[in-house]
Amino acid sequence: GENVEQHPSTLSVQEGDSAVIKCTYSDSASNYFPWYKQELGKRPQLIIDIRSNVGEKKDQRIAVTLNKTAKHFSLHITETQPEDSAVYFCAASRSTGFQKLVFGTGTRLLVSP
Amino acid sequence: DGGITQSPKYLFRKEGQNVTLSCEQNLNHDAMYWYRQDPGQGLRLIYYSQIVNDFQKGDIAEGYSVSREKKESFPLTVTSAQKNPTAFYLCASSIRSAATNEKLFFGSGTQLSVL
Repeated sequence: GENVEQHPSTLSVQEGDSAVIKCTYSDSASNYFPWYKQELGKRPQLIIDIRSNVGEKKDQRIAVTLNKTAKHFSLHITETQPEDSAVYFCAASRSTGFQKLVFGTGTRLLVSP
Repeated sequence: DGGITQSPKYLFRKEGQNVTLSCEQNLNHDAMYWYRQDPGQGLRLIYYSQIVNDFQKGDIAEGYSVSREKKESFPLTVTSAQKNPTAFYLCASSIRSAATNEKLFFGSGTQLSVL
């Protein structure tokens, strides 16, 4: 089955810096890669996703890149702000049939003012 | 106000006891899911249901049971067979289950602890 590895487990940056979180997946048939953000004490929420027919997707300060050959994808946050502090989870799944997402272990991002 | 509601927020289980976690959604979503969240282990799928009266085991179903008698409700029972039940449990739903991948809407979670 699919296995998703996520690094780093914790990441500390200064406000205004960029942050990059990386994930690798094992199943070459996976073609859907969402990212969820979980603020302290709150529910996870989808912030961005990418499908395997594109290599990059941007939404304001966040972007996701996908390298299908290497089977890895990354989340990029630019101009970080304290409110970006949260745990970020990557995930992967196939699009055929049931959407069975496999999540990474999470990255705790701390943005210091 | 549409959404997905979990209750209770905190739950304590005595040894040998079964406990049931509630999950209700008024989003008219077909699919519902239960995830377990442990520190450093991400989210792991326990059970999922694509339609009323049907459900499937996820990756860590042992010691758990579910039912889907109504579209809106997907309760999870943690049985006495689950030897390490202490975790944060998240319920989620999505509009449809097949054909395309879609956004998961999560509840606010239930923290289960063993007394």
